[in-house]
Amino acid sequence: GAVVSQHPSRVICKSGTSVKIECRSLDFQATTMFWYRQFPKQSLMLMATSNEGSKATYEQGVEKDKFLINHASLTLSTLTVTSAHPEDSSFYICSARDPTSGGDNEQFFGPGTRLTVL
Amino acid sequence: QKEVEQNSGPLSVPEGAIASLNCTYSDRGSQSFFWYRQYSGKSPELIMFIYSNGDKEDGRFTAQLNKASQYVSLLIRDSQPSDSATYLCAVSFGNEKLTFGTGTRLTIIP
Repeated sequence: GAVVSQHPSRVICKSGTSVKIECRSLDFQATTMFWYRQFPKQSLMLMATSNEGSKATYEQGVEKDKFLINHASLTLSTLTVTSAHPEDSSFYICSARDPTSGGDNEQFFGPGTRLTVL
Repeated sequence: QKEVEQNSGPLSVPEGAIASLNCTYSDRGSQSFFWYRQYSGKSPELIMFIYSNGDKEDGRFTAQLNKASQYVSLLIRDSQPSDSATYLCAVSFGNEKLTFGTGTRLTIIP
């Protein structure tokens, strides 16, 4: 149980284009999903908390107009990187809490999306 | 600012020995503690979580929590080459958000 998928796994795009990344909870309903970014040899940095049916909560320093998050259903959250630039190249990872897992605040991660902006 | 500190390593341990990974955190109000394993190029995988002081064992893994010292550790017994990875400590400060340490790179030497 507690499987989270992401699509695409890898994307290469030109500077100035927009890229959409999907995060799905496959076997549970996730009212809350999280989006992280990880640069090489660095830890995960939380970008935003995605809440089903409401606006995302962004961490300080994350541009909400650049990183658009939509959590339209209990199993799907999307992150759109708008007008991507080379400095946005990174490993984007989503996670979700499984409220039925019996734990508290444990998050299960998707496989990640590696974005390269040329 | 809430911080989670880990020794970045690399930590080299002979195969079959015990690997000991340490993590300290700054906020005494922290409530939940997690250890994740991350292989190169992959996303983190949850190994263990612990909420109460003391030890929690799961197979070859033991998590130890000492809230008075603001310290959490992970022991890996009978280390295997497949345990070679980066281990991330994560702490929840009472809400759903996790704060991650920078990770410790562990190498098991055959």
